[in-house]
Amino acid sequence: AQSVAQPEDQVNVAEGNPLTVKCTYSVSGNPYLFWYVQYPNRGLQFLLKYITGDNLVKGSYGFEAEFNKSQTSFHLKKPSALVSDSALYFCAVRDHDMRFGAGTRLTVKP
Amino acid sequence: DTAVSQTPKYLVTQMGNDKSIKCEQNLGHDTMYWYKQDSKKFLKIMFSYNNKELIINETVPNRFSPKSPDKAHLNLHINSLELGDSAVYFCATTSSVPTYEQYFGPGTRLTVT
Repeated sequence: AQSVAQPEDQVNVAEGNPLTVKCTYSVSGNPYLFWYVQYPNRGLQFLLKYITGDNLVKGSYGFEAEFNKSQTSFHLKKPSALVSDSALYFCAVRDHDMRFGAGTRLTVKP
Repeated sequence: DTAVSQTPKYLVTQMGNDKSIKCEQNLGHDTMYWYKQDSKKFLKIMFSYNNKELIINETVPNRFSPKSPDKAHLNLHINSLELGDSAVYFCATTSSVPTYEQYFGPGTRLTVT
């Protein structure tokens, strides 16, 4: 079965610094990978996806993610964090349905 | 217009009651889902419907039953509510190949007392 793992429950960064939220995956075949963000008391919002093509994918709000097949990773990145980026981030892999990681809480401090 | 809407936003009820949560989407998507998010924020898929046909039913108690009157609606009925049913329930939709991403409703926070 396809799955994703988010090794960090919590990531703390200072505003203006680069951020990385880690995700590793386990799939048979070609992976369809996604990142979603959840703000407090809201539903999940789609950020970006990797289906095929360039390993570096760009998404909403200045986020990007790098697909690394050899390391089976799909880390979420942003060059300069904002306080408003503070939220819960979910990595997901598409099988016949969407399998979500446990989530990583990102806190950006002023 | 809200793409995926859910009602009610909050639901407080007593053990043993029967309740329903409604979901409507105006995206024209073929597949709709129900997810349960527990207090630790873990997301568990409960059901999905594709063209009014149930295609996934994870290990969910049969007290939970999805009802889809039409392509735009997927309601969740819960019978004999238990304390452990307290959670946030999300409806989601997805389009067909090749986009795959899901669009989530705002959630319904269910509290069973």
